[in-house]
Amino acid sequence: KAGVTQTPRYLIKTRGQQVTLSCSPISGHRSVSWYQQTPGQGLQFLFEYFSETQRNKGNFPGRFSGRQFSNSRSEMNVSTLELGDSALYLCASSLVGGADVLTFGAGSRLTVL
Amino acid sequence: ILNVEQSPQSLHVQEGDSTNFTCSFPSSNFYALHWYRWETAKSPEALFVMTLNGDEKKKGRISATLNTKEGYSYLYIKGSQPEDSATYLCASPDNNAGNMLTFGGGTRLMVKP
Repeated sequence: KAGVTQTPRYLIKTRGQQVTLSCSPISGHRSVSWYQQTPGQGLQFLFEYFSETQRNKGNFPGRFSGRQFSNSRSEMNVSTLELGDSALYLCASSLVGGADVLTFGAGSRLTVL
Repeated sequence: ILNVEQSPQSLHVQEGDSTNFTCSFPSSNFYALHWYRWETAKSPEALFVMTLNGDEKKKGRISATLNTKEGYSYLYIKGSQPEDSATYLCASPDNNAGNMLTFGGGTRLMVKP
């Protein structure tokens, strides 16, 4: 079956712009979570959506937002980009959550100039 | 947000060596412990999810144990092969209501042929 698909894979933006990243989970998975990976910080939890509702939120500023659609596809948006937002953004899906394994996408690598 | 720590940060071994690394997590309010393998240029891949004290899981040459009372898990690799070279991540959910995982910093394993 198809895995977790993230688009775009690579993108370059300038400071002040905004960006939208997309994630299509494995069919049947209802939980979609987003993580940021930077060299100094490792994998940091951004937020999780389940059945179109944000279920958990990490410690990121309000410039980071997301949503989930009825088909479980999710998008995350970062507004007013800063240089420090340059990172690999990983999306992961699971059936329900908690003790379910996460299946990760290949990630979207964002570079902010 | 939990404090999940991994040691060592990196490890160089020779092909054929057996090795192990440690993941430490808070023993209070424990829900689950995840292990993932992350190879360069690939997505993190789930190895195990463990929930019960004393759990032992095995997948080929890789096994893991869990001690929830003292807050640690060990990952063992028997007879390391060059293809085992990767970063091994452990993670624990902050609550039992979803996939808000706190990841450790990872152990980077390099296996020399």
